[in-house]
Amino acid sequence: GEDVEQSLFLSVREGDSSVINCTYTDSSSTYLYWYKQEPGAGLQLLTYIFSNMDMKQDQRLTVLLNKKDKHLSLRIADTQTGDSAIYFCAERDSGNTGKLIFGQGTTLQVKP
Amino acid sequence: EPEVTQTPSHQVTQMGQEVILRCVPISNHLYFYWYRQILGQKVEFLVSFYNNEISEKSEIFDDQFSVERPDGSNFTLKIRSTKLEDSAMYFCASSPTGSEYFGPGTRLTVT
Repeated sequence: GEDVEQSLFLSVREGDSSVINCTYTDSSSTYLYWYKQEPGAGLQLLTYIFSNMDMKQDQRLTVLLNKKDKHLSLRIADTQTGDSAIYFCAERDSGNTGKLIFGQGTTLQVKP
Repeated sequence: EPEVTQTPSHQVTQMGQEVILRCVPISNHLYFYWYRQILGQKVEFLVSFYNNEISEKSEIFDDQFSVERPDGSNFTLKIRSTKLEDSAMYFCASSPTGSEYFGPGTRLTVT
């Protein structure tokens, strides 16, 4: 079945760039997503990319998609302490209702 | 900005008891979902609901689970006889079409 994998932990210094990586298996996925989860809060949609795009930029966020390698990344420029959270990659299932299939989440720790 | 809301934020129940988790999706959304996240594990899809019926359900969503949209605004998840392994964070989500908007979750603890 479909699967999404992420590294579990990333630590960066404030002001540096963060790059969170994700691999997925369903080559038919139409959309791929990044969600952010702050402690005690729900899943906040950060950004998404359509599968026919290679890159999407939205302010400090850059999403890169390599369809050949089924690799998705999220780059956060000028990382701030407020960016500390768990970041989930998700792919849209190409089947029936298109449920989301999530990775296990990457905990981003931003040190001052 | 409209938000998905969920109540309660935390529910503690004894094994074998019935629980109902409540959600108010964003008002003009058409698709509704329940996902759950067991502590330390991935967020997992449970069920999707469209046009007043279940459109897809996962293997997890067995006969102990049911969903309902009783009054056009609320969307509920019922677990008839809770088990210890049902302890998790349950997220409701709604979507116009495309991106899901998630609620803050209900933490269910089964003792």
